[in-house]
Amino acid sequence: DQQVKQNSPSLSVQEGRISILNCDYTNSMFDYFLWYKKYPAEGPTFLISISSIKDKNEDGRFTVFLNKSAKHLSLHIVPSQPGDSAVYFCAGLSQGGSEKLVFGKGTKLTVNP
Amino acid sequence: DAGVIQSPRHEVTEMGQEVTLRCKPISGHNSLFWYRQTMMRGLELLIYFNNNVPIDDSGMPEDRFSAKMPNASFSTLKIQPSEPRDSAVYFCASSLRQVGAAFFGQGTRLTVV
Repeated sequence: DQQVKQNSPSLSVQEGRISILNCDYTNSMFDYFLWYKKYPAEGPTFLISISSIKDKNEDGRFTVFLNKSAKHLSLHIVPSQPGDSAVYFCAGLSQGGSEKLVFGKGTKLTVNP
Repeated sequence: DAGVIQSPRHEVTEMGQEVTLRCKPISGHNSLFWYRQTMMRGLELLIYFNNNVPIDDSGMPEDRFSAKMPNASFSTLKIQPSEPRDSAVYFCASSLRQVGAAFFGQGTRLTVV
C-alpha cells in the first residue's frame, strides 16, 4: 500500500517558468510533510516542509501548498533554474506516532536552459 | 558538523558474502534511519532507531538483514548472506525528535554479483 504517491515520474520545464510537483497521500495520520531534493550520487537533502495546520509555506523560490481535504500537496518552484534539475521526493510523517518518514517514489525535474 | 557519514561509498561483493554498511549520525541527533533505494520500490525504510533502541524494523526484508546501534554515534547494517537482489543504494539518515526533517548521508551503492 503506497501511502505517498507521486504520479508523475518526470517533468520538464523551461528556465524561468514555474515548476509544479504534485503529491498525494492516503494516511490521515500524517501531520507533517516534507520535500526532499536529490542529485545523482548524493543523498536526499531537505528542501521545505509544512505542518498540517497550515495550507502554505514559502521559502524563497519554493512554496509548498497543502490541501488536507483532498490529501494533496504540491511544490511550486518559481522561477525554475537549471540547477533545480533533480529528483524531488515528497514525504509524510506522523509526529505524534512513529517518526518514520514515508516517501513517494519521486519526480525527476529537468529545467531546460 | 560533517553531516551523516556513511562508509563505504561503493561496495561490490559476490553472492553469499557478508556485507556490512556503516553510519555515523549527526552529533546530537537521537533518531537514526536506514533506507534502501531501488528503481522499483523507491526509498523504503528498513529500520529506525531512537536513542539507540530499534523502534520499527518492519521494513527489514528478511532475516538476512540485521542492524545494530551500539552507541549514539555509530550504526551498522549487515546483510548475510548477500544476494544479487540486494543490490541497491542504502542510505542512513538521522534526525532530532520532534523536528521532523531527517538528514541523509551520501549513501552506499551496493552491487552483489
